[in-house]
Amino acid sequence: AQSVTQLGSHVSVSEGALVLLRCNYSSSVPPYLFWYVQYPNQGLQLLLKYTTGATLVKGINGFEAEFKKSETSFHLTKPSAHMSDAAEYFCAVSELSGNTPLVFGKGTRLSVIA
Amino acid sequence: KAGVTQTPRYLIKTRGQQVTLSCSPISGHRSVSWYQQTPGQGLQFLFEYFSETQRNKGNFPGRFSGRQFSNSRSEMNVSTLELGDSALYLCASSPNPGQYNEQFFGPGTRLTVL
Repeated sequence: AQSVTQLGSHVSVSEGALVLLRCNYSSSVPPYLFWYVQYPNQGLQLLLKYTTGATLVKGINGFEAEFKKSETSFHLTKPSAHMSDAAEYFCAVSELSGNTPLVFGKGTRLSVIA
Repeated sequence: KAGVTQTPRYLIKTRGQQVTLSCSPISGHRSVSWYQQTPGQGLQFLFEYFSETQRNKGNFPGRFSGRQFSNSRSEMNVSTLELGDSALYLCASSPNPGQYNEQFFGPGTRLTVL
C-alpha cells in the first residue's frame, strides 16, 4: 500500500533562508507525487507535481522538488523564504498514473521568522 | 472560470444529528471527490462520484454517504454525528473520473460536532 512520511511536523526558517521540507513515499509502482499548500481556513492549492519525465519539478511561488527514486524521496525546496510562505504543506502520492486516490502525509507547518 | 465552491463554510451540529454538505465543481468537471481532514488522522479520501454513481470509496463507516446530481454537483451526508466527525471536509473536482492528478480543491466546510 502506498504511504507518505513527512519528516518534521513543524519547520521554522528565517526570512530569506532556504526552505527544505522533506517527504518520503512508499509505493509498489511508479508514483505520481504532489505538494500542496494550505493557508489557514482555506483548501489545498497545488504547488507542483511529478508525473513522468524530468525529475526536477518547478512549481508556483518559486518552489521546486526533485523526485529521487533510489531514495524514495520528493523533498520540497525554495531558495529564499518569504513571510507569505508561512502555511501548512502536504506531500501526496497517487499510483497507476494518477488514477488512485491521493494518499497524504501528515503535513508540515512552515513558520517564517522576520 | 470559477473554482470549486462548498457550502456552507462553517457548520455546528450536536451529537446524533445528521448533516449535509454541498459541493459545486468547476464548470466542465464531471468527477467530484470528498476528503476529511482532522488533526489526528490527517487528510483521508472519503469517496468519488462520477455520472451520479459512486466509483471509489475510502475506509469510512456507512454513516458517511454521498450523491451526485446530473449537473455534477455533489452532496455528502453524515448521519448520527459523533464528536470525532468534527473536521474540515474538502471537495475536489476533476475533468474525468479517476483523474486524481488533475484535481482542484474547494475551500472546505468546517464541521464542529458538540
